[in-house]
Amino acid sequence: GAGVSQSPSNKVTEKGKDVELRCDPISGHTALYWYRQSLGQGLEFLIYFQGNSAPDKSGLPSDRFSAERTGGSVSTLTIQRTQQEDSAVYLCASSFDPQGTLGYTFGSGTRLTVV
Amino acid sequence: DQQVKQNSPSLSVQEGRISILNCDYTNSMFDYFLWYKKYPAEGPTFLISISSIKDKNEDGRFTVFLNKSAKHLSLHIVPSQPGDSAVYFCAASAESNYQLIWGAGTKLIIKP
Repeated sequence: GAGVSQSPSNKVTEKGKDVELRCDPISGHTALYWYRQSLGQGLEFLIYFQGNSAPDKSGLPSDRFSAERTGGSVSTLTIQRTQQEDSAVYLCASSFDPQGTLGYTFGSGTRLTVV
Repeated sequence: DQQVKQNSPSLSVQEGRISILNCDYTNSMFDYFLWYKKYPAEGPTFLISISSIKDKNEDGRFTVFLNKSAKHLSLHIVPSQPGDSAVYFCAASAESNYQLIWGAGTKLIIKP
């Protein structure tokens, strides 16, 4: 597709359940980022993938969060044993240049609600 | 510790007038700044950027000004149009660091 695609667009889950969020970046974009936006907050960096390099996981808030990127394309963000504070919009972005300084292209996000 | 601050949660401007969105930062290592616009239920869209070697960058109705000594940047939109109503995020990065640090956003409302 022409843009970054994220699924699902909305997810409501019970506390303690695991969730998987998917991101399809723009074809040819080697850099892929996950961010989340909590209500009233700025975007919070979670994880960064660049090509075949080891991902930068420094932004993941706890070991319940993990992400993988298969074949340098699709990425999945997994949250285990979800908590209410995980409720947020999770945004995926990709860029052509590794540092994203030419701007990122964002997906529409997945709104996660943990009840 | 908020390294990028947008102190105005919202701003209301009359259509046709100038909108000025402000952003302050604390990290003197930041050398690249970007503005994004976000509509509800959509991802942020890149608007305009500026490198620290410049103090102004213009693209159509959008101009970004950078004052390095004050660690302050602003986005000017003139003339403001109804379609400009959105949340605007300021973001910054340091050389060789791909992590963008984001402000909390300013909601711009353009009144007809």
